[in-house]
Amino acid sequence: DTAVSQTPKYLVTQMGNDKSIKCEQNLGHDTMYWYKQDSKKFLKIMFSYNNKELIINETVPNRFSPKSPDKAHLNLHINSLELGDSAVYFCASSRLTGGTSYNSPLHFGNGTRLTVT
Amino acid sequence: KNEVEQSPQNLTAQEGEFITINCSYSVGISALHWLQQHPGGGIVSLFMLSSGKKKHGRLIATINIQEKHSSLHITASHPRDSAVYICAVNTGNQFYFGTGTSLTVIP
Repeated sequence: DTAVSQTPKYLVTQMGNDKSIKCEQNLGHDTMYWYKQDSKKFLKIMFSYNNKELIINETVPNRFSPKSPDKAHLNLHINSLELGDSAVYFCASSRLTGGTSYNSPLHFGNGTRLTVT
Repeated sequence: KNEVEQSPQNLTAQEGEFITINCSYSVGISALHWLQQHPGGGIVSLFMLSSGKKKHGRLIATINIQEKHSSLHITASHPRDSAVYICAVNTGNQFYFGTGTSLTVIP
């Protein structure tokens, strides 16, 4: 009954490959996110997505694309992987609609450590 | 310039010490979050607050909306408190994160 689950936990792949990371939340949240955490532990938002709007951080290469089959899932697809894509990727979810009184804490998945060789 | 600034970046304390981590932000927010990440571990939400003060065990979080500043305090620190503490603000449709404070509590 994990709140936010992402798979796989570890992903090792070669440059040029295409890979996906899956994320699911069972909290009924309306917004999901993908974050990249670099070696200095700095979290950078890549995408935020609810059922109405996809917000893309303009610094994210278009090799990265989110796919949301439904409100509970937001998968991350990465094409033509590069060495610099090596990082830990976190999925998270929260509830944002309904005004500030309905804001909820961010709930994070356990992270996917991606290593590109 | 980052929308959220944290200080200090690194902090080493002796067990039992009182610890303060500061967070300043430059955007209008609907809520501020304090997150904890243990080495090699996931990220856990400690507090979400939009005004005043919240307490959970030995952890206390305060926020001053007018000054755009928040503090996270840890009383009677313990080695298990060693982690990275991250301040994040929610503007209503976006999250911004501080760079984190790496805390090491020495027995």
